[in-house]
Amino acid sequence: QVQLVEYGGGVVQPGRSLRLSCAASGFTLRTYDMYWVRQAPGKGLEWVAKISSDGSNKSYADSVKDRVTISRDNSKNTVFLQMSNVRAEDTALYYCVKGRSGYFSDWGQGTLVSVSS
Amino acid sequence: EIVLTQSPATLSLSPGERATLSCRASQSVSNYLGWYQQKPGQAPRLLIYDASTRATGTPARFSGSGSGTDFILTISSLEPEDFAVYYCQHRSNWYTFGQGTKLEIK
Repeated sequence: QVQLVEYGGGVVQPGRSLRLSCAASGFTLRTYDMYWVRQAPGKGLEWVAKISSDGSNKSYADSVKDRVTISRDNSKNTVFLQMSNVRAEDTALYYCVKGRSGYFSDWGQGTLVSVSS
Repeated sequence: EIVLTQSPATLSLSPGERATLSCRASQSVSNYLGWYQQKPGQAPRLLIYDASTRATGTPARFSGSGSGTDFILTISSLEPEDFAVYYCQHRSNWYTFGQGTKLEIK
């Protein structure tokens, strides 16, 4: 079965950087678009970034554009989210998500990023 | 940017009742709309995509309808496990969610 395990979250100071990773298993990663979606504490869902199956196309939400980079290593079944110059409003649970025709079909359990001095 | 507005914010019903949740788009999204269920402490789960197609494992009591700007998620007869938060989502070059409807036990 599809399994997505995120790690790399934690407490980070404003302005610092952080890299999230997502280990994928149970499916052929290289054939699927992948996403990061976040959820601030007690709030709704916000799409963050998307990467195409071969990594050639990437897109970002305006709220994080120029501060995050999504990447993938299909040979290692891993998706990444590099976050830089983090802000308090980046505090959230970050989900790694497998795509299906533009919808979010399978979700990890999330990794929590807390931005605090 | 397309904005999705869900109503009501909170819906209080009893098990066995019918639930009707609404999602309205600020401009036409054709039928490119999905619905998700999120229970406390859990990741969201895709229920419906392309407005009316049930995802694998979605019970038949869940149905979606609509096109253009107005969409409905209907739960025909509420089970105890259906009380959760529901989000609609549009797919395009960007991926927009509604703010959610909390379905609570009356």
